[in-house]
Amino acid sequence: AQSVTQPDIHITVSEGASLELRCNYSYGATPYLFWYVQSPGQGLQLLLKYFSGDTLVQGIKGFEAEFKRSQSSFNLRKPSVHWSDAAEYFCAVGAGNYGQNFVFGPGTRLSVLP
Amino acid sequence: SAVISQKPSRDICQRGTSLTIQCQVDSQVTMMFWYRQQPGQSLTLIATANQGSEATYESGFVIDKFPISRPNLTFSTLTVSNMSPEDSSIYLCSAETGRTGELFFGEGSRLTVL
Repeated sequence: AQSVTQPDIHITVSEGASLELRCNYSYGATPYLFWYVQSPGQGLQLLLKYFSGDTLVQGIKGFEAEFKRSQSSFNLRKPSVHWSDAAEYFCAVGAGNYGQNFVFGPGTRLSVLP
Repeated sequence: SAVISQKPSRDICQRGTSLTIQCQVDSQVTMMFWYRQQPGQSLTLIATANQGSEATYESGFVIDKFPISRPNLTFSTLTVSNMSPEDSSIYLCSAETGRTGELFFGEGSRLTVL
């Protein structure tokens, strides 16, 4: 069965600073990898996804993520954080079969200092 | 992409009562999923709802407590029965549209049980 770990429970960065959120996964086949963001009181919004091809994927809101098979990682990055990026971020792995076998990581809460 | 609407968005309920959450998708989908997000936690899958068949429940969740209906390809309901304060959570409906592998989410229903 697949699993996802996000080593950082809570990260605080200053506005304008760079950001990297870590995600490691365990999956026996080629994974479908996702990053979702959840703002307070909101549902989940997809930031980006990786299925195949270029291992560096671009998403919305200036985020990008890099798939590294050798490290079983899919870290999320942003070069300059905005105050509105403060939210909960979830990494997830799926099997591509109509949404089944979708596993979420525990989440990383991002706080942004002015 | 898909637009998923849930209602109610939030409710305060008394212990021992039941509440039904409705989920509407703007396109036909094969499977719909119900997740629970307890305060400060990640998402846990409650059940998978297929049109025309009984829902499939994950370990720790039972039909008597969380009955689900799926009358057509765009709609589902989740009932939280005989509620206790431990049921206070956000309940999220989701679905995959097309074969993109990604899940789309509703805004969630935040239940508080007194």
